[in-house]
Amino acid sequence: GQQVMQIPQYQHVQEGEDFTTYCNSSTTLSNIQWYKQRPGGHPVFLIQLVKSGEVKKQKRLTFQFGEAKKNSSLHITATQTTDVGTYFCAGGRRGSQGNLIFGKGTKLSVKP
Amino acid sequence: EPEVTQTPSHQVTQMGQEVILRCVPISNHLYFYWYRQILGQKVEFLVSFYNNEISEKSEIFDDQFSVERPDGSNFTLKIRSTKLEDSAMYFCASKRQGGQPQHFGDGTRLSIL
Repeated sequence: GQQVMQIPQYQHVQEGEDFTTYCNSSTTLSNIQWYKQRPGGHPVFLIQLVKSGEVKKQKRLTFQFGEAKKNSSLHITATQTTDVGTYFCAGGRRGSQGNLIFGKGTKLSVKP
Repeated sequence: EPEVTQTPSHQVTQMGQEVILRCVPISNHLYFYWYRQILGQKVEFLVSFYNNEISEKSEIFDDQFSVERPDGSNFTLKIRSTKLEDSAMYFCASKRQGGQPQHFGDGTRLSIL
């Protein structure tokens, strides 16, 4: 079945360092969405990318969607302790009713 | 801001018992979803529901599972005869229309003893 691979599984950074997580799908996606989940919490929607090669920014977060619509990345510049959590990418399948195939997530910890 | 609400927040059930998880999606949303997340693992799609019927389901969503929208506001997930491996966090999500992001509820933690 379709899979979305996400690396790394864990990332420990010093506050102020940059952070990147990568997602790769086995098939072409209709869109990719990024969610953040704090410990004990639910996934919170961050952004959706739809177009091939799309780049979107939210303050210190930069999201990219690959040209082939099979990979994506999230980059955080100058991490802060409030960035702590698990970041999931979720691929929207073509022809589906919008159900999402989640990656395993990257758990980010930030040392002050 | 409108939210997806789920009840109960934690459900403890004996193996073999039936359990119903309840969700109230955002009121003007048309697409509804159930996902589950086993502790420490990724979120997994279970089922999507649109226009009063299941539109898609995963391999996890076998005959033990069913969904209903009994009235204009609730969306329920029923597990007929629970197994130990059904222990997980169950998330309900909804969205207004195609192309829109999904909004997740806080989840129900299901513990099967």
